[in-house]
Amino acid sequence: AQSVTQPDIHITVSEGASLELRCNYSYGATPYLFWYVQSPGQGLQLLLKYFSGDTLVQGIKGFEAEFKRSQSSFNLRKPSVHWSDAAEYFCAVGAKAAGNKLTFGGGTRVLVKP
Amino acid sequence: DAGVIQSPRHEVTEMGQEVTLRCKPISGHDYLFWYRQTMMRGLELLIYFNNNVPIDDSGMPEDRFSAKMPNASFSTLKIQPSEPRDSAVYFCASTRSGELFFGEGSRLTVL
Repeated sequence: AQSVTQPDIHITVSEGASLELRCNYSYGATPYLFWYVQSPGQGLQLLLKYFSGDTLVQGIKGFEAEFKRSQSSFNLRKPSVHWSDAAEYFCAVGAKAAGNKLTFGGGTRVLVKP
Repeated sequence: DAGVIQSPRHEVTEMGQEVTLRCKPISGHDYLFWYRQTMMRGLELLIYFNNNVPIDDSGMPEDRFSAKMPNASFSTLKIQPSEPRDSAVYFCASTRSGELFFGEGSRLTVL
């Protein structure tokens, strides 16, 4: 069965500092990997995705993520955090063969200090 | 495109009442998903459809929950009778290519 683990429930970071959110997955086939962001009271918005090819993927809002097959990881990074990045972030894994069904991690809530 | 549209955005009801949540997927998307989000259990997949046909409903908690997709542009999730433990945010999402597009959710409170 597929699963996603986000080890950090909360992260607090100062504005302008770098951010890294961890994601580890378990999946039997070649995974599709996603990062979504959720602001309070809103739905989930896609930040970036990895299907194949270059293992470093760029997303919206200055985010990037790196797929490391050997570590079963897909960590999200941003070099300089803005106050508007305060939100909850979800990593997800799925596969085309599974009918696009995604399994989500528990989320990491990011707080940004001024 | 208007995105995935869900209604109502908020619903407050009493235990035992029937609740119907509605979803309009993005035009052209052939997969539709219903997720439930709670603090305790996070995001759980309840059911998903492909070309209006239910493919996997193993996440539906119990027989009180049912979902339908009568056509490509409309789906409902019904809870009858509702219970306080059903209180959650219910999200609908649609896709054509693996990337899910989410609605803004329906926040359900069952008193």
